[in-house]
Amino acid sequence: QSALTQPPSASGSPGQSVTISCTGTSSDVGGYNYVSWYQQHPGNAPKLIIYEVSKRPSGVPDRFSGSKSDNTASLTVSGLQAEDEADYYCSSYAGSNSLVFGGGTKLTVL
Amino acid sequence: EVQVVESGGGLVQPGGSLRLSCVASGFTFNNYWMSWVRQAPGKGLEWVATIKDDGSQRAYVDSVKGRFTISRDNAKNSLYLQMNSLRAEDTAVYYCARAGLPMARDYWGQGTLVTVSS
Repeated sequence: QSALTQPPSASGSPGQSVTISCTGTSSDVGGYNYVSWYQQHPGNAPKLIIYEVSKRPSGVPDRFSGSKSDNTASLTVSGLQAEDEADYYCSSYAGSNSLVFGGGTKLTVL
Repeated sequence: EVQVVESGGGLVQPGGSLRLSCVASGFTFNNYWMSWVRQAPGKGLEWVATIKDDGSQRAYVDSVKGRFTISRDNAKNSLYLQMNSLRAEDTAVYYCARAGLPMARDYWGQGTLVTVSS
């Protein structure tokens, strides 16, 4: 049950694209197509933005996209906007009804 | 409107106990698995426990096994977390979250703060 590895920070200018990685093992990210991504603004609860690696819940802009290769998942935010500045967390199913989260990435819009 | 509202947090001494509650509304509670996720001050998210829709299966992170118990009362649309033998490292905001999409938590409450300190 080790945490997934995310870069502590990422940044980009408005309109640019930024990609955040999430590295796990064959027991979690690599073993299942059940990677989720959450956005959390300061003082707020997390919000689901990607599930099953690349699917978006209703209402989430298509500027947010997800992918996975082997043991690493990625979140790409295209056309960066000021309101995208937040903390982002990945999560993966890890078997036996358990989940594991990444350490989080603080996204700064320059 | 889907809502989950946590309560029961507070200040407790090390070794003490606390019971968190989460009341759900706006959806058919007994159709969904539910989870508790915590966030220590200034830190990331940590999955704590999950319970099946009918309460027949439960799972816990290793650090709380034997100390915490997740349960639910579908007649009251309520989820619980009984926390015993609390430690300083259990200090966190505890979120109740619905597992509404495959292995994803689609609705979260605003959280309840648990502080373990003497």
